[in-house]
Amino acid sequence: KAGVTQTPRYLIKTRGQQVTLSCSPISGHRSVSWYQQTPGQGLQFLFEYFSETQRNKGNFPGRFSGRQFSNSRSEMNVSTLELGDSALYLCASSLSPGQGDRSQYFGPGTRLTVT
Amino acid sequence: GQNIDQPTEMTATEGAIVQINCTYQTSGFNGLFWYQQHAGEAPTFLSYNVLDGLEEKGRFSSFLSRSKGYSYLLLKELQMKDSASYLCAVYTGGFKTIFGAGTRLFVKA
Repeated sequence: KAGVTQTPRYLIKTRGQQVTLSCSPISGHRSVSWYQQTPGQGLQFLFEYFSETQRNKGNFPGRFSGRQFSNSRSEMNVSTLELGDSALYLCASSLSPGQGDRSQYFGPGTRLTVT
Repeated sequence: GQNIDQPTEMTATEGAIVQINCTYQTSGFNGLFWYQQHAGEAPTFLSYNVLDGLEEKGRFSSFLSRSKGYSYLLLKELQMKDSASYLCAVYTGGFKTIFGAGTRLFVKA
């Protein structure tokens, strides 16, 4: 079974631009969570999607948004990029954290650099 | 508030046993994860504890005390490849998982 895939793997953007990152979960997984990882803050929860619905959101500004499609693939968007948005963005998929197996399987991440 | 504390770094010798502690104070608690993350790679799942007690899985064991807000990950027969960051994370419910900053473990020969 293929793992979680994220595209692109690396991205360099300029302040003020916007970016869209993509995540394809493991086949059969319907929950997708997004995290931002920085050396100083560790893994910070961004949001979680299940069946195209955002079920929870972390403490990030409205510039960070996401969506999930009917095939469970998910995208996250960051608008008006700031230098502080430079980070590794990780997506994790699971069957559904609310029941049964709560294991989350992470993708390799997208390394975003904002200059 | 949400707070998960782990030591920043630990060093241990190949073949030894190391215990990585994690204390948490969260607004909700449904279970506790441990993940391993090698430098430049994504975290990989190690364990998930819901009930108090020790769960053993090969060389790795994880312990949970919900009343004390405390968990530890025990690594036995350390190998060089165990050098990595170990992340403690709490599933608070509401489809949200909160991560600690991680413990960097260095295994020396």
